[in-house]
Amino acid sequence: GENVEQHPSTLSVQEGDSAVIKCTYSDSASNYFPWYKQELGKRPQLIIDIRSNVGEKKDQRIAVTLNKTAKHFSLHITETQPEDSAVYFCAASRTGNQFYFGTGTSLTVIP
Amino acid sequence: DAGITQSPRHKVTETGTPVTLRCHQTENHRYMYWYRQDPGHGLRLIHYSYGVKDTDKGEVSDGYSVSRSKTEDFLLTLESATSSQTSVYFCATTAQGGGNSPLHFGNGTRLTVT
Repeated sequence: GENVEQHPSTLSVQEGDSAVIKCTYSDSASNYFPWYKQELGKRPQLIIDIRSNVGEKKDQRIAVTLNKTAKHFSLHITETQPEDSAVYFCAASRTGNQFYFGTGTSLTVIP
Repeated sequence: DAGITQSPRHKVTETGTPVTLRCHQTENHRYMYWYRQDPGHGLRLIHYSYGVKDTDKGEVSDGYSVSRSKTEDFLLTLESATSSQTSVYFCATTAQGGGNSPLHFGNGTRLTVT
């Protein structure tokens, strides 16, 4: 099956700085890569996703990049704010199959 | 999110007792999943369903069973609860399955086995 690795496990940044979280996957057939944000005590919520036929996708301060050759994808958050503090999970999946999750990154934005 | 309701939200039970968690969705999504979340392990798949009466095992299925008799309901049963099954359980649904559409999660059930 698929194996998704996520780094770093914890990340602290100053408010206004950028944050980058990286994930690698093992199954070259994976074609869909969502990112989830989970606040303390809450459910994971989708923040952005990317399909394998796209190299980059942006939504305001959040962007995701995908390198299919190297089998890695990254989440970029610019101009971080205290409300960005949460645990972020990457995931990989392929058509008709399961979703495989990374182990999460705890992001702290220091005011 | 996607009209997913999990019940109960919290449960404390004793070792050796059976426990059933319920997931109810109102979005008519075909695919439903049960995950457990533990510190350091992220979200691990227990079982999933790709239609009524169609289910399959995930990576941590031992000690768990599921049933899906209606599109909207997906039940997770711990046959004989153990302390290692203390966790937060999330149900998730998606319309088109892996590779096509994102998962939407319920609010979770916090289960404590004493």
